[in-house]
Amino acid sequence: AQSVTQLDSQVPVFEEAPVELRCNYSSSVSVYLFWYVQYPNQGLQLLLKYLSGSTLVKGINGFEAEFNKSQTSFHLRKPSVHISDTAEYFCAVSANDYKLSFGAGTTVTVRA
Amino acid sequence: NAGVTQTPKFQVLKTGQSMTLQCAQDMNHNSMYWYRQDPGMGLRLIYYSASEGTTDKGEVPNGYNVSRLNKREFSLRLESAAPSQTSVYFCASRGTSAETQYFGPGTRLLVL
Repeated sequence: AQSVTQLDSQVPVFEEAPVELRCNYSSSVSVYLFWYVQYPNQGLQLLLKYLSGSTLVKGINGFEAEFNKSQTSFHLRKPSVHISDTAEYFCAVSANDYKLSFGAGTTVTVRA
Repeated sequence: NAGVTQTPKFQVLKTGQSMTLQCAQDMNHNSMYWYRQDPGMGLRLIYYSASEGTTDKGEVPNGYNVSRLNKREFSLRLESAAPSQTSVYFCASRGTSAETQYFGPGTRLLVL
């Protein structure tokens, strides 16, 4: 079985500042890794995913994440955030059965 | 192309009442999933259906039943609602040999 730990439950950040959301996972098999975003009162939208290959993955809205196998991490970054990035962010992992295990989520609040 | 749709958007039940949450997808996906989202716990898998005619338990199946009515529709039934089932319920679908799950907008359920 896989598990995910999101190390920060809340991240306040000023507009145009960089942000990093930390995600560690545990698994005995190879995994796929995902970041989803949930805007207030909406469903989940895929930001980016790592399946194989290059460890630096670029997603929508200027987000990117880096897969680090030795540290079992998949941290999400954005160099300059906007007010509209205020949302909850979920890291998720699956093995090749495609069943997702989610972290508890990180709430990002962007302030002017 | 509506993607994944869920009805109702919001429901209030009294303890012991029953109800069915509906989910439909128009992407011709084989696999469908039901999750519940609770504060500080991320999303947890209740049931899933790998293909039409099959269903399997996820992490938290107790108190729920599901029906894969056809390839498009996957319903979740609460036979006797309990306050512990107050949650936001999300349906998702995934195409064959694809890794990404696509989520519906959610159903907010309050059990009094």
